[in-house]
Parts: sequence; C-alpha cells; structure tokens
Amino acid sequence: AQKITQTQPGMFVQEKEAVTLDCTYDTSDPSYGLFWYKQPSSGEMIFLIYQGSYDQQNATEGRYSLNFQKARKSANLVISASQLGDSAMYFCAMREGPPGFKTIFGAGTRLFVKA
Amino acid sequence: ETGVTQSPTHLIKTRGQQVTLRCSSQSGHNTVSWYQQALGQGPQFIFQYYREEENGRGNFPPRFSGLQFPNYSSELNVNALELDDSALYLCASSLAGGPSNTGELFFGEGSRLTVL
Repeated sequence: AQKITQTQPGMFVQEKEAVTLDCTYDTSDPSYGLFWYKQPSSGEMIFLIYQGSYDQQNATEGRYSLNFQKARKSANLVISASQLGDSAMYFCAMREGPPGFKTIFGAGTRLFVKA
Repeated sequence: ETGVTQSPTHLIKTRGQQVTLRCSSQSGHNTVSWYQQALGQGPQFIFQYYREEENGRGNFPPRFSGLQFPNYSSELNVNALELDDSALYLCASSLAGGPSNTGELFFGEGSRLTVL
C-alpha cells in the first residue's frame, strides 16, 4: 500500500538560512513520482518540484532541491536561502504508477521563517 | 491557459443535507481528482476521474460520489452530510499520458464546507 510519512509537524528556520523538510515513502511499484507542494495560509496548493523514480539526478527548481535517496525511500525537500514568504505548509506527495494514477499526500510540515 | 476553478468557495450546510461542489479543469487536462482536507491535515484522496470514468477511489463511503463531463469539468456530491464532512474540498486536474508528462496536479482554490 502507498504511504507517505512526514515526521516534522513544525520547523523553524532563520531567514536566509537553508532548511530540510523530511519525507519518506513506501511503495512496491518500480514506477512512481514524488512531488512537493506548498500551501500558504490562503489555501491554494502550489507545485514546487518533481522527481521521477527513474531519474538519476536530484531535481532542482530555483531555491528548491529534492534530495532523492531511492534505497532509503526518502525524498527530502531542501529550501536554500529561506525567505519570509516561505512560511507555509509543505506537503510531500507520491503518485504510484505513471501519470494518470492517483496521488497521495503526507500530513505536512509547517515551516516558520524568522526574520 | 485557464486554470482550475471551483465553486462555491464557501458554503454552510446542516447535518443530513446534500451538497454539490463543482470544478472546471485546466484546459487540455483529461483527469480530475478530488481531495478532502480537514483543518491542519494533509489532503485525503477521495476519487479520480479519467475520461468520465472513475479510475481510483480512496477510503470514503458511497455517499461521496462524483461525475466528470465531456468537457472534463467535474462535480463532487456528498449526501447525508455529517459534522465530520466539514473541510476544504480541493479539486485538481492533470494530464494522463504523454512522454514527458509528470502528472503534476494543478489545484483550484478549494471549496470550504461547514456542516452545522
């Protein structure tokens, strides 16, 4: 069965520092996709970054990078140079199978960026 | 390119009533998924539609039902509302298929349902 685990309910980071948000997943399907989404207090879900199970390189998108350790089944999000606007809920998600299969979400981590 | 739109944005119902939530998918997307997000929790998968057929369902009772129309817009219907149905309901569209497609979900802003 699919499962996504985010063990950090809340995280604090100083502005301009880097922060790592943890995510582990469980699947028996060799083909899957991993996502990170940001949800500000407004409620809208914003896509941040994607990693496919067959991708050899870790994904990067601007200040976001995904530390993909396939053998450990982890997909941690690294945010570099944190900004006050990064304060939000962050969700790790997994699609088990090719595009068109369902995506499930973890419980989320609330990130607080301090000035 | 038109994004995902949901209506209504807020609504209040009483226990036992029925509700219909609507979603217009992003242009070109053929798959729509519905999620329930209780306050402070992660989105829970309700079901997914692909080309008007349900092709995946989460752990929700049959009183949660849906439709997808030929233009790929969608409805979520909930019968016999319970207090625990109070939540943010998120609709997300995506594209199934394609060689470089990631299956990224594009979300609407949600419909916040309060059941009294």
